[in-house]
This record gives sequence, C-alpha cells and structure tokens, in this order.
Amino acid sequence: QQQVKQSPQSLIVQKGGISIINCAYENTAFDYFPWYQQFPGKGPALLIAIRPDVSEKKEGRFTISFNKSAKQFSLHIMDSQPGDSATYFCAAPLTSILTGGGNKLTFGTGTQLKVEL
Amino acid sequence: GAGVSQSPRYKVAKRGQDVALRCDPISGHVSLFWYQQALGQGPEFLTYFQNEAQLDKSGLPSDRFFAERPEGSVSTLKIQRTQQEDSAVYLCASSLARTTSGRVKFFGPGTRLTVL
Repeated sequence: QQQVKQSPQSLIVQKGGISIINCAYENTAFDYFPWYQQFPGKGPALLIAIRPDVSEKKEGRFTISFNKSAKQFSLHIMDSQPGDSATYFCAAPLTSILTGGGNKLTFGTGTQLKVEL
Repeated sequence: GAGVSQSPRYKVAKRGQDVALRCDPISGHVSLFWYQQALGQGPEFLTYFQNEAQLDKSGLPSDRFFAERPEGSVSTLKIQRTQQEDSAVYLCASSLARTTSGRVKFFGPGTRLTVL
C-alpha cells in the first residue's frame, strides 16, 4: 500500500523557472512531512520539512506548501538552477508505539528534476 | 567521520551467495535504519535499531535478510542465498534519538548490490 503518492515522475524546467512537485498522503496520522534531495550515487539528504499545523514553510529558494484538508503538500523551487537537477522525494514518518516509535520514513516514488540552461 | 559511511560501495554477488553490508553511523546517533532502494524508486524501510535493540524489522522482505547492531554503533545487514530480486541500493541512515529532533535522518551513500 503506497501511503505517499508523488507527481510528476519527471520534470524539465528552464533555468530561473519554478519547479513544482506534488505529494498526496492517505494516513492522517502523519505529522511531519520532509522533502529529500538525492544526487546520483549519493544517499538522500534532507532539504526542508513541515509540520501539519503550518500551511507554508520557506527556506531560501525552497518552499513547502501544505493543504491539510486535501492531504496534499508540494515543494516549490524558485529560480531553479542547473545545480538543482536531482531526484526529489517527499516522505512522511509513521511512528508506532508498538514498534518502538522509530520514525521510519515512507517515501514517494521520486521526481527526477532537470534544470536546463 | 563527519557522516554516515557504508561499505562496500559496490558489491557483485552470484545468485546463492551470502553478502554482508556494513554501516558506520554518525557517532552518538542512537537510531539506525536500513532502507532498500530499487532502481527508479523511493527508498523502502527494512529495519530499525535503537542502540543495539532491533525494534522494528517489519520491512525485511524474507528470512534471508538479517541485521544486527551488537554494540549499538556499527550495523551489518546480511543477505543469505542472494536472489536477483535483491539487486538494489541498500541505504543506511542514522539519527540522534526517537524525539522530534531524531526525525532528521542522515543517510549514507548506499551500497549498490548486483546479483548475477
């Protein structure tokens, strides 16, 4: 069962443009929504995260918008640069008291972003 | 070291061989996770340790997969009698604790396993 659905699968944006990646979740128990960035041959790295009591969070050129009623959240990359070309994953942790509260992450399927000159 | 390290970075195994993948988490990190990432997919949870205790192994795909962290630091993921479907990148991640701050996970570069 896929608990986090991500779109689009791939995205091409011109330098300076806005990149938008969307995620939808099903489990209302999720209480933390991170975005990870992964370059080829590297592990995912935390980019930005939001809690559901906040509708928007901005860090530099990266913004998360959160719509709790629609169970959707999105990543916006402003002024996209070639160095932003990577795969982006949305994720959500599911903490279970029964399994020790490990904050294991459920990831989306990823969006491959290419920023062209 | 400054980050999570994994070894080997690449492993080629013949079907039926046993493999062992090592993870060195960030010093002091209590929580350690293993994830499996198939080509073109997002990472999928395998197992979780808090110190030396394996608290969640619900993601291990079969009893051929075994993980340990005997002293609460270095962890080893072992796969017995490897199959072609085991080919993937195996990622290790660590975090400080179970608390909110522990939600920030630091991933290693992964071990790419290819089973022929």
